[in-house]
Amino acid sequence: DQQVKQNSPSLSVQEGRISILNCDYTNSMFDYFLWYKKYPAEGPTFLISISSIKDKNEDGRFTVFLNKSAKHLSLHIVPSQPGDSAVYFCAAGNSGGYQKVTFGTGTKLQVIP
Amino acid sequence: EAGVAQSPRYKIIEKRQSVAFWCNPISGHATLYWYQQILGQGPKLLIQFQNNGVVDDSQLPKDRFSAERLKGVDSTLKIQPAKLEDSAVYLCASSLLSSGRVTGELFFGEGSRLTVL
Repeated sequence: DQQVKQNSPSLSVQEGRISILNCDYTNSMFDYFLWYKKYPAEGPTFLISISSIKDKNEDGRFTVFLNKSAKHLSLHIVPSQPGDSAVYFCAAGNSGGYQKVTFGTGTKLQVIP
Repeated sequence: EAGVAQSPRYKIIEKRQSVAFWCNPISGHATLYWYQQILGQGPKLLIQFQNNGVVDDSQLPKDRFSAERLKGVDSTLKIQPAKLEDSAVYLCASSLLSSGRVTGELFFGEGSRLTVL
């Protein structure tokens, strides 16, 4: 049962344009959401998060939007840079209990110079 | 601040052999996670420790996988005997669990890549 889904395995974007990565979840108990970035041969690194009490969180070029009614979130990167080329994982957790974090399957972003 | 340390980085074994992976989390982090990432998939939680107690091992294949966290610090993940489908990257992560405040940020090590032939 895949509770966190990233339906686009890959995405190509021109440098300077907007990258939009999407994520859907099924478990209504999730109350916080995170995005991680992963380069080859490295572990995932935390990028940005959002609590379910918000619908938007911004950090520099990165903005995460949450639509709870649709159980959907998205990560916007503006402007996209070649260094953003990586695999992006959406993750979700429940603050009650022991903060188990469930990951999606990832989207490989390629930013073309 | 030192990050999460894992070893070995790479390991190649034959099926039915055994292997062990070691993880040293960030100092002071109470929660430690082991994830399995198969090529093309997202990380899958195998086991989660809170201090030295197991709080979730529902997806750990207990007939062949075992894990322990010594004195609430270092952790070891063992596979015995290994199968071909165990080929994956084994990621260790730690987090500073803040009661009453949602953080959820996990800090990952570089991973241990296992190839089973």
